[in-house]
Amino acid sequence: QVQLQESGPGLVKPSETLSLTCTVSGGSISNYFWTWIRQPAGKGLEWIGRIYSSGSTNYNPSLESRVTMSLDKSKDQFSLRLSSVTAADTAVYYCARGVSSLGYWGQGTLVTVSS
Amino acid sequence: QSALTQPASVSGSPGQSITISCTGTSSDVGRYNYVSWYQHHPGKAPKLLISEVTNRPSGVSNRFSGSKSGNTASLTISGLQAEDEADYYCSSYTSSSAVLFGGGTKLTVL
Repeated sequence: QVQLQESGPGLVKPSETLSLTCTVSGGSISNYFWTWIRQPAGKGLEWIGRIYSSGSTNYNPSLESRVTMSLDKSKDQFSLRLSSVTAADTAVYYCARGVSSLGYWGQGTLVTVSS
Repeated sequence: QSALTQPASVSGSPGQSITISCTGTSSDVGRYNYVSWYQHHPGKAPKLLISEVTNRPSGVSNRFSGSKSGNTASLTISGLQAEDEADYYCSSYTSSSAVLFGGGTKLTVL
């Protein structure tokens, strides 16, 4: 059974960079697309972007200037970096597997942007 | 890119059927058969209910069904149960290779 687990700091200061890692277990990171999604409190889901195991990426146009995704096949991990964060970036961040049909999700991790 | 349009809330009594709509444009819902539906209980990970408009992943109850007409997709839940009370989200692949989610619909089982 494929499982995903997000990890990273729960608190980030404004203007700094948010960094999260998703660890995949029960399966390989190879030959799949991996996606990041977020949900601000009381709001809906927002697609952040995806990365293929080859390293190719697609990002949400509204976040593209601040987002970088990468992966480490040796560790079956993929990562999200979001720069110049503000309070508006406070959200639960999820990682998931797939392109548009996301069949496996992590439990989510709350990231708060505050000084 | 604006979110796909869903009703903010729907409700129904146990045993009844309800339908949640998801309206996009000719650049997303209307263009691709890559519409998905998710059930989200607060505090848990979203669960994929429907992929590619009508496909139910293994293990998903056949009480959940999906359809599409033009720029609008729909999720129907038949035989409502108390455990169906949750938030429901649609998503679609787009012509810019992105994915758009709907704003979400809160289902209340009366």
